[in-house]
Order: sequence, then structure tokens, then C-alpha cells
Amino acid sequence: QSVLTQPPSVSAAPGQKVTISCSGSSSNIGNNYASWYQQLPGTAPKLLIYENNKRPSGIPDRFSGSKSGTSATLAITGLQTGDEADYYCGTWHGSLSAYVFGTGTKVTVL
Amino acid sequence: EVQLVESGGGLVQPGGSLRLSCAASGFMFSSYWMGWARQAPGKGLEWVANIKEDGNEKYYVDSVKGRFTISRTNAKKSLYLQMNSLRDEDTAVYYCARTDISGCLDYWGQGTLVTVSS
Repeated sequence: QSVLTQPPSVSAAPGQKVTISCSGSSSNIGNNYASWYQQLPGTAPKLLIYENNKRPSGIPDRFSGSKSGTSATLAITGLQTGDEADYYCGTWHGSLSAYVFGTGTKVTVL
Repeated sequence: EVQLVESGGGLVQPGGSLRLSCAASGFMFSSYWMGWARQAPGKGLEWVANIKEDGNEKYYVDSVKGRFTISRTNAKKSLYLQMNSLRDEDTAVYYCARTDISGCLDYWGQGTLVTVSS
């Protein structure tokens, strides 16, 4: 059972915007950087956002991250069919001395 | 180009052992924390363990403590995961991943499947 809670699914039409929340606590997101990962069907996860709001080279600016208190949010604008994937948040959990992932959110483009 | 290639997965009986390997290239392996994550069939991601650059600090998820051991050989640019006393619930695709200074897993391998079944 994950300590980071995400909505199971979100959906929107092409070109629209979706946001995915990641709810944690002061033991994890509240005191550490949040990251976001994209997992396309049948592939390995890929880093999408690190240090709350930074994008690795090659990640389009349609993807953005933010953090407020003990929650993090991933926003995807200009939604494309190629964005259909599972998305996970992640962060270090201090009291567990472990890295933790969120429960995962499936993005569907209608 | 950063590359991580896992090997060693397969079918093993409950209670058995397996050793996974991860060959790294394209970056200074000895300068990074490294780790393993897994994903059971149809389930979400679960972090398993990580290890400091020099191998002197290691962390594990509670469910594998005492059964799994993470190690590395910097001269061979290789990461390992020794898995003992395997259980049905350890069945998963195991990913090798590089850990960035901020703590995120910034590069992932393609994964290797471990199936624990009698």
C-alpha cells in the first residue's frame, strides 16, 4: 500500500489539459523533492519531472510539475494520443528510509 | 548515451534464489547511487533498494529486508541484486535505475522478468 495517493485515472480530449495530484505527508513530499515518471504501454518508466518542476532534456514543456506543502501536481497541456500512459509520482520517504512511488494514474485521451 | 541492461531473470521455485545483474555504460558509474525497482504484473511501481556510490550505504523496502542484497562492482560498471528466499509475491519485472543527486531515478533499464512459481 503506497503512502503517495494519486487518482486512478484521468481523461480529456486531444488538445485539452489534465492534472494529476499526488498526496503525501511531511515525511515524504513535504520535505523532499517530488518526481514524475511516465510509463508508456509495454515499456520501462521514464523520468518526466524532477526536483518538483524541472524537465530533463527532451521532455516537452507541455509537461509541468509543481509542489505545495505535502502534495505535488503534474499538468499536461495540449494533450496528445501519444500521452496515453501510466504516470507515477515518487519521492524519498525519510522515516522509512526508502523511495516511494505513488499509486499511479492512467491517462486516457478521449 | 546512458544505457542500463539487466540480465539474470527467469523462473524460480518459491524459496529459491536468483541473482540479477545490471551493466551500465555511457556515464561515470562510480559517481552515482544506483538502485532497483520492480513492477508486478498489472500493478504499480515499487522501489526495492539502492546503494551509494562506494557501496557503503544501502537501503531496502521492508518487504525484502533480510532476503535481498544489493551490491556493485564499480570496476566492472555493474550493479547486482541477490534475491534469496523468493516468494510468489516477488514475481515482477525488475528494473535497474540510476539515481540522480536529487534522489530521482533518472535513467532506467528495459527490465528483466522474475517469475516465482512451483
